[in-house]
Formats: sequence, structure tokens, C-alpha cells
Amino acid sequence: DAMVIQNPRYQVTQFGKPVTLSCSQTLNHNVMYWYQQKSSQAPKLLFHYYDKDFNNEADTPDNFQSRRPNTSFCFLDIRSPGLGDAAMYLCATSRVAQRDQPQHFGDGTRLSIL
Amino acid sequence: SQQGEEDPQALSIQEGENATMNCSYKTSINNLQWYRQNSGRGLVHLILIRSNEREKHSGRLRVTLDTSKKSSSLLITASRAADTASYFCATVQMDSSYKLIFGSGTRLLVRP
Repeated sequence: DAMVIQNPRYQVTQFGKPVTLSCSQTLNHNVMYWYQQKSSQAPKLLFHYYDKDFNNEADTPDNFQSRRPNTSFCFLDIRSPGLGDAAMYLCATSRVAQRDQPQHFGDGTRLSIL
Repeated sequence: SQQGEEDPQALSIQEGENATMNCSYKTSINNLQWYRQNSGRGLVHLILIRSNEREKHSGRLRVTLDTSKKSSSLLITASRAADTASYFCATVQMDSSYKLIFGSGTRLLVRP
């Protein structure tokens, strides 16, 4: 089945130690999104790629970076994780960059900071 | 930034009852979407309603949209224990391209 896969499901890192979360998709969708979701809160968009074009949200901290080496893969890099970065990170895709396109989500990576 | 609020924040009902969740938003929208999130999982798209539509059905789901009141409701009829999840509305604003802005969510518990 076509899907969005996030690895790992759970990630533990140390305060200040760089960490990379990965997302892959078999849907061949043009747009890939990264969201941060803290406990009992709404998902918050960090940035997204439309093909190779990177779109950062204005309030996304510089500590968060992303790479999309090809259509199928997208990575979230947190350069120096702080305690406040502990959250669920969700990857999503949509077929094209149009308003009426639903987004397809992976099951997320839950990040813990020691 | 969060577009709006959902009401109630939490809802507990008996299996077989109907569940109604409400969503309010602040700015003009192109469409509004509802998503479900099971505990510890990703979001699943349920239904999309465009700004020129007033009501939409999908199986046991009924969504209404009132653009004059900037509000939407999601009705789940004949609820099942498997409907236990968090439900989020998300809007696509008129002045943005295609980004979703999520509401705060309603946590639904359906008791067997």
C-alpha cells in the first residue's frame, strides 16, 4: 500500500546532541510537510517542500533544518535539541500544492530529550 | 498560528450515541477539513468541505459549514468504541496557498 513512513517511531537524544528524523513516501507526492505536535496540542507546521522548493514558516526556530534529496525522502534535522523540542514530529504529503488536496500523514516520531 | 478553537475539548459518550464536535475559525477560508488522530498515531483525513458548500456526508460522518458564523460541526452517528480518537478541524485560508491551520482538537471517548 502507498504510504508515508517515518523512522524511527521513538527517538531519544541528549540535550544539545544533533538528531535527524526521516520520512519516506511511496505516494509520489510533490509536497512534503513537517509538523511539530506537543502533547494535547494541534500540529504546528514547521516547513514544507514543494518539489525542491523549501518553504520555511516564519516562526520556525533556526535550530530546525530540513533536506529533501529526492521525491521520496525528506529529513528533519534538529541541530541542538533543547528540552522544549520534545514532541511528536509528523511528516505529511499532498499530491500537489492546491488548496483542496488532503494531506497524508505518517505515524510520527516521538522525540525525547534527556 | 492556530486558526481557531474546537468545542468541546473532550467528549465522553456511550457506544451507539451520536457525537457532535464544533470548530470555529477566524478568517475567510477556501475549505475546511476534518482529521482523526488515534493515540500515538498520525492524522487521517476524514472529509473536506468547500466554502461554497453547507453540508457534506461520508458514511456515518456529517459535516456542516456556516461561513457567516465562521463555524463547522462534525457529527458522528451511531458511534463505536473504535471512533475513540482526537478530532481536528483544519482550514485552508483564502489568502494562503494550501497550508492547513489546525484547531485545538476534541478528544472523543466512546465507552463500550
